[in-house]
Amino acid sequence: EPEVTQTPSHQVTQMGQEVILRCVPISNHLYFYWYRQILGQKVEFLVSFYNNEISEKSEIFDDQFSVERPDGSNFTLKIRSTKLEDSAMYFCASSRGIMNTEAFFGQGTRLTVV
Amino acid sequence: AQTVTQSQPEMSVQEAETVTLSCTYDTSESNYYLFWYKQPPSRQMILVIRQEAYKQQNATENRFSVNFQKAAKSFSLKISDSQLGDTAMYFCAFMDLSMPGTYKYIFGTGTRLKVLA
Repeated sequence: EPEVTQTPSHQVTQMGQEVILRCVPISNHLYFYWYRQILGQKVEFLVSFYNNEISEKSEIFDDQFSVERPDGSNFTLKIRSTKLEDSAMYFCASSRGIMNTEAFFGQGTRLTVV
Repeated sequence: AQTVTQSQPEMSVQEAETVTLSCTYDTSESNYYLFWYKQPPSRQMILVIRQEAYKQQNATENRFSVNFQKAAKSFSLKISDSQLGDTAMYFCAFMDLSMPGTYKYIFGTGTRLKVLA
C-alpha cells in the first residue's frame, strides 16, 4: 500500500541553524501539506501546496519557513533559523484532491531545537 | 473562523465495552467533511472514519461509527467492542471544501482514550 515517507524520523539541531525536513508523498497525489504538533498539543496546519505553489498558509508559517517540491517527488519544509519553540513533531501529508480529499500522513519528524 | 472542540481530554473504557467520543464544530459553510483520526503512541496519524456533510446517513467502518448531527454541529465517534489496540489519542477534524487549492484540516485538541484490560 502506498504511503507517505518522511526523513529523518528525529532531528536535533542547534538554535539558529537551518533544517530541512523531507517528505515523499504518494505518487499520484496532487495536494501536499505540512502540519505541526507541539508535544501534548493539537495538530496545527502550516501550509498547503498545489500546482507547484503555496495554496494556503497559516500564521505560524512566517518568513522563516519555506516549502519546495524540487524534483516532482520530494516535498521539503525548510526552517531557516530555528528557535526553541520550533521543537515539535512535523507531519507531511498528501491527498489526491477533489472527491478524494482525505489526507494520508507520514510518520512524522520529531524536531528538537537545543 | 472555523473551530473544532473536543470537550473530553481523557476517557477510559473496559475492553469489549462501547465508548463515545464527542466533537462539536463551528462553521458557516455548508460543504465540508468531518474526520476522526487516531494517533497511537507511535504518533502516526491514522484515518478512522470520514463523513461528508451532504450525506444524512452516518458513516460506519467496522467497529467505528459516527453520530453526525448537522444542525447541532456535532460529530461523535462510537467505538464498539473496544480493544486494547484502540488505546490512542483521537482527533476530530474539519475540512472546508469551499476553498479551491487547499483541503486543510482543522483539528480539535484530542481525546486520550485508554482501553482497560
